[in-house]
Amino acid sequence: SAVISQKPSRDICQRGTSLTIQCQVDSQVTMMFWYRQQPGQSLTLIATANQGSEATYESGFVIDKFPISRPNLTFSTLTVSNMSPEDSSIYLCSVEEGGRAFFGQGTRLTVV
Amino acid sequence: AQSVTQLDSQVPVFEEAPVELRCNYSSSVSVYLFWYVQYPNQGLQLLLKYLSGSTLVKGINGFEAEFNKSQTSFHLRKPSVHISDTAEYFCAVSDKTSGTYKYIFGTGTRLKVLA
Repeated sequence: SAVISQKPSRDICQRGTSLTIQCQVDSQVTMMFWYRQQPGQSLTLIATANQGSEATYESGFVIDKFPISRPNLTFSTLTVSNMSPEDSSIYLCSVEEGGRAFFGQGTRLTVV
Repeated sequence: AQSVTQLDSQVPVFEEAPVELRCNYSSSVSVYLFWYVQYPNQGLQLLLKYLSGSTLVKGINGFEAEFNKSQTSFHLRKPSVHISDTAEYFCAVSDKTSGTYKYIFGTGTRLKVLA
């Protein structure tokens, strides 16, 4: 089973700044997924990241706000840009292996 | 488009009582179905999954779920809960045909087990 490490685990950021979240997987995977879990809500898919190509964003999410990098088959980053308090959420990295999704522990972001 | 409905946002239940957490889905294509659990301040953990085959699926920690295609449901059950089962439970679907394994999650059910 895939093991996913996310950094940082939590952060408190000033509005207007940006934060880059890192996701490292212990095996090579084709697709990596980034989700957002707003307080008291379910998970919402932000984008799908394939190695060597631009990420595919879901409705309501744009690359300028959430740029994603996928430099190789084991690593991805998500940047939350020009943050506002509404961006306060848990951000989770996920991969699929063997017909099931594995999730990182998440990055708990608070924007003040 | 797919959607997942978890009808109960919160379910309080006494310890050692049975519990059922409801999940209904809507999809025009065949789907995979999942239940995930999120303990306080922790990540998501897979409880069980239905990919194909037997409609009764057994998972970890004594949980099971039954896929009912005619009712488009995938309710989660446990015959006797423990205090340690207190957590948030998420039902999810994934499109079998798209090949992208994107997951659509329900809004979650907070299970609170009372002593």
